[in-house]
Amino acid sequence: GAGVSQSPRYKVAKRGQDVALRCDPISGHVSLFWYQQALGQGPEFLTYFQNEAQLDKSGLPSDRFFAERPEGSVSTLKIQRTQQEDSAVYLCASRNSGANVLTFGAGSRLTVL
Amino acid sequence: QQQVKQSPQSLIVQKGGIPIINCAYENTAFDYFPWYQQFPGKGPALLIAIRPDVSEKKEGRFTISFNKSAKQFSLHIMDSQPGDSATYFCAASGYGGSQGNLIFGKGTKLSVKP
Repeated sequence: GAGVSQSPRYKVAKRGQDVALRCDPISGHVSLFWYQQALGQGPEFLTYFQNEAQLDKSGLPSDRFFAERPEGSVSTLKIQRTQQEDSAVYLCASRNSGANVLTFGAGSRLTVL
Repeated sequence: QQQVKQSPQSLIVQKGGIPIINCAYENTAFDYFPWYQQFPGKGPALLIAIRPDVSEKKEGRFTISFNKSAKQFSLHIMDSQPGDSATYFCAASGYGGSQGNLIFGKGTKLSVKP
């Protein structure tokens, strides 16, 4: 597609539930990033893929967070046993090989009750 | 440890005014400094970016000023319009921005009054 597509746009989960957030990057973009944006804050890095390889997962806040990109295109961010502090907008971004422009999707807003 | 510090947190200007948003960074390995604009319910969108080999870059009404020795950079918006009301984020990364992740500031919420 023309842009980065994320789904669902909104997700309400009960504490303890597992959630999965999907990112469909711009076609052909090699690099894919996940960021977490708390209310009123800047995006904070979670993890980075180059094709299917997860090169950096240093920003994942706990082992409840897991991301994958098995075929080097679509990526899924999974959060297990959600907690209230996981409530945030999860942004996906993609970038072409050798380029520096990061294009963001609109985000998935997660609310944990 | 916050690697990119942004100020002010919020800013109100009249239409036609020149809002200025400032950022300071700590890591001297950073060599790519973009500014992103974010409207409510949308993802951040690249506005303008600069490398440390230049001290100023202009694109339309947006100007970045860069001071390498002070490790500071700022965004100026000339002839601001109500449509510029948004949250602005500065960011930084290494390798010219082509590898690794962007480190973002906490954002400045700009309101331009008609």
